[in-house]
Parts: sequence; C-alpha cells; structure tokens
Amino acid sequence: EVQLVESGGNLVQPGRSLRLSCAASGFTFGDYAMHWVRQAPGKGLEWVSGINLNGGGIGYVDSVKGRFTISRDNARNSLYLRMNSLKEEDTALYYCAKDSGDIIVGGSILDHWGQGTLVTVTS
Amino acid sequence: QFVLTQPPSASGTPGQKVTISCSGRRSNIGLNPVNWYQQLPGTAPKLLIYSNNQRPSGVPDRFSGSKSGTSASLAISGLQSEDEADYYCAAWDDSLNGDVFGPGTRVSVL
Repeated sequence: EVQLVESGGNLVQPGRSLRLSCAASGFTFGDYAMHWVRQAPGKGLEWVSGINLNGGGIGYVDSVKGRFTISRDNARNSLYLRMNSLKEEDTALYYCAKDSGDIIVGGSILDHWGQGTLVTVTS
Repeated sequence: QFVLTQPPSASGTPGQKVTISCSGRRSNIGLNPVNWYQQLPGTAPKLLIYSNNQRPSGVPDRFSGSKSGTSASLAISGLQSEDEADYYCAAWDDSLNGDVFGPGTRVSVL
C-alpha cells in the first residue's frame, strides 16, 4: 500500500525558513516523479513544485521561484521542500503527491496523496 | 486568478446527472491531458479521472470525463449522497511550465 507521510509544518514568522519532508513507502520511490501541492485555508488546490524521478527535471509555480527548493533522496525514500523567505500567503496545508509517471512535464497524474502538513506564516 | 475556469458550484438530486465544465487555453488543456480530482470534506484529494477519460481502479463508472479543444468536462451519473465533494480539474501548462488546477466545483446533493 502506497503511503506518503508529510512532516515539518509549523507556525513561523514572515521571512523565516522551514523544511518539509515526505516519507514514502509501499512503492519503488526512485521510479516516480513527485510533487508538492498546497491548499490555503478554505481555498482550492495549487501545484507548488515537482521533481523527476532522478531529480534531473524540476518545476515551480511562479510565486515560489527563488524561495522554495524541491529535492529528493531516493536512498531514503524521501521528498523535501525547503521554504525560504516565507510570506503570509504561503500559509497552507502542504500535500506530498506521487506521480504515476517518471517525469513532470506534459501531464502529471497525481495518483496518491499524503494527508498534508500545515504551514502557518504569521507575525 | 485561475488559468483554468470551473463553475463554483453544481447540484442535483439523487440519481440525477451532474456535469462540471473546465475551460482552459491551448497551452494547457489544448495540448495536454486533463485530470480530475475529488476532495471529500476534511480529506486529501483523490485522483478521479486521468488522461481526459480514464478511471483509476476502484472509481465507479458513473464518473466519466471528456475533452474537446480547450475544454473538458466531468460527468457524474446517478448522483449519490457520497458524491458531495469538491472537484478540481488540472492540466500541465506548457507556457507556465507547471501544473495548473481549476478553482474547484463544490457538488451538493439536494
């Protein structure tokens, strides 16, 4: 059974940093692209970032470019999101999602999702 | 402002058919497949339809998807109370070089 467990969410002040982690199990992690998707309180879904199976291809939504960095450790079956210079508008539940394919370009089918980790940015 | 547009709400009585539209551009729906996600209240999203009209294993066949040009739609036939949820369309956007979601449509069963 595929399991994705996010962690690292917290209450932080604007301008600070945070690192989210996603522990994957139940599938061969290194064979699939992975993504982060967020949902602000009471709002819809927003794709944040994706990474190819080997980390060779990466994408970000414009609003986080230059501030967030996605990475993965296939040996540890883990996905990460380093979030710098956090803004209040980054407040959201952050989901880790598995792609059904190995690259993010052209069509990402997010076939499994974690339960999310909450990031709250406030002064 | 969303790249993909969906109606904010849709409703029907049990057994009825409900259709949700998703409108985009050539750079997203026009060139790439559309996926649909269902989010039940208080839960994580779930893949409902992929590659325009394919159902993952376990998804009832009363859910169906279609795509034409720069628009897509999700149909729920034989609406049931457990279908009350938010439904999101999504597609890769070649111009933005990223995935885009619609704003979501909340389906209510009257």
